[in-house]
Amino acid sequence: GAVVSQHPSRVICKSGTSVKIECRSLDFQATTMFWYRQFPKQSLMLMATSNEGSKATYEQGVEKDKFLINHASLTLSTLTVTSAHPEDSSFYICSASTQGEGRSDEQYFGPGTRLTVT
Amino acid sequence: SQKIEQNSEALNIQEGKTATLTCNYTNYSPAYLQWYRQDPGRGPVFLLLIRENEKEKRKERLKVTFDTTLKQSLFHITASQPADSATYLCAFNQAGTALIFGKGTTLSVSS
Repeated sequence: GAVVSQHPSRVICKSGTSVKIECRSLDFQATTMFWYRQFPKQSLMLMATSNEGSKATYEQGVEKDKFLINHASLTLSTLTVTSAHPEDSSFYICSASTQGEGRSDEQYFGPGTRLTVT
Repeated sequence: SQKIEQNSEALNIQEGKTATLTCNYTNYSPAYLQWYRQDPGRGPVFLLLIRENEKEKRKERLKVTFDTTLKQSLFHITASQPADSATYLCAFNQAGTALIFGKGTTLSVSS
């Protein structure tokens, strides 16, 4: 199947600092990528939909100024957690669709990034 | 609002038996229903996708059914093995939209 990578896999940062997470589709082009967050023993919750070349669409309750998303190319989307606080500690996962032109069939997920804010 | 439920948080079975996981949805008519496997500390791994006009899909020891009348999908693992132990997530969406996930069922297969 298609491969999606995320970097870093783990990051520990101090409260108030910013952290950037990269999501790459390695063997296909993804016009749409999605960012999810997963708290312990919870399901994945969609944060935002990232479309190449346009502004991301955020879910209700997700602050766009705090979680900056940039989808600069068809293989790379980045999520920056600005002024991170301990409550932002979570498992962040991206996914990318193998279909272009706004269609999504199978979605492939990155391995996730464990963010810990101290 | 759209809702997706997986009927069991945990399922314990013996090796060699068939595991059956259930996923129900309400207030939605998905175009696709997908099943994923997630191991602790890892991202979900795609297993199977079934479209609204399909009744059943198979892949090796896996089988998924999709009943749009009952608003339900069943996920079967035949001849289960300890290596199948993981959390299984169902999710649905329309074309071009993000997935809406259930909370998952943690399957434990004992030898």
